[in-house]
Amino acid sequence: RKEVEQDPGPFNVPEGATVAFNCTYSNSASQSFFWYRQDCRKEPKLLMSVYSSGNEDGRFTAQLNRASQYISLLIRDSKLSDSATYLCVVIGGSGNTGKLIFGQGTTLQVKP
Amino acid sequence: ETGVTQSPTHLIKTRGQQVTLRCSSQSGHNTVSWYQQALGQGPQFIFQYYREEENGRGNFPPRFSGLQFPNYSSELNVNALELDDSALYLCASSLGAGLNEQFFGPGTRLTVL
Repeated sequence: RKEVEQDPGPFNVPEGATVAFNCTYSNSASQSFFWYRQDCRKEPKLLMSVYSSGNEDGRFTAQLNRASQYISLLIRDSKLSDSATYLCVVIGGSGNTGKLIFGQGTTLQVKP
Repeated sequence: ETGVTQSPTHLIKTRGQQVTLRCSSQSGHNTVSWYQQALGQGPQFIFQYYREEENGRGNFPPRFSGLQFPNYSSELNVNALELDDSALYLCASSLGAGLNEQFFGPGTRLTVL
């Protein structure tokens, strides 16, 4: 079983749609959680951190459920510029390496 | 831009050859992590260097080795290249080896023929 699992998609949605991505992780001792965005042939960039209380940044809302080991990202009012791959990322539960563990990524294509 | 640079941008090698990839960390950062991203996959952790010492290693064979210099720039060396080593190699710099945000460079795309 992969340490971080995501539905690879692709998700094809019209502009203005609401889309949700899900992610599960296997290590219950994981400490920190993130969503990264990666544009085609570019490096990953931090989109937002994810907290147990849930957090929102404009049109983006992230949720963490530690009991279910489940992370989600909700994008409201999708824009063409949101088209990218969204990577669920967990920092490993042991040691102090700060090793980022990435999911496979979920591809989003927003169409006019 | 993150201030993290990598060279070269692209590289083509043949099986059995050796390659060295370079990364310059963001100013003030003392930690560099290296990741391998195969096509259609998320990045996989190779290893991390903190203050010139290896500080954690992923599931990669010993032919993947690294180095960090006193200015905190870093090299990734891969010996005896295999076809499956074809990937985007990303380095990320951070301040400290723990939970601090990692900033990625643009990557080096390696093709092994």
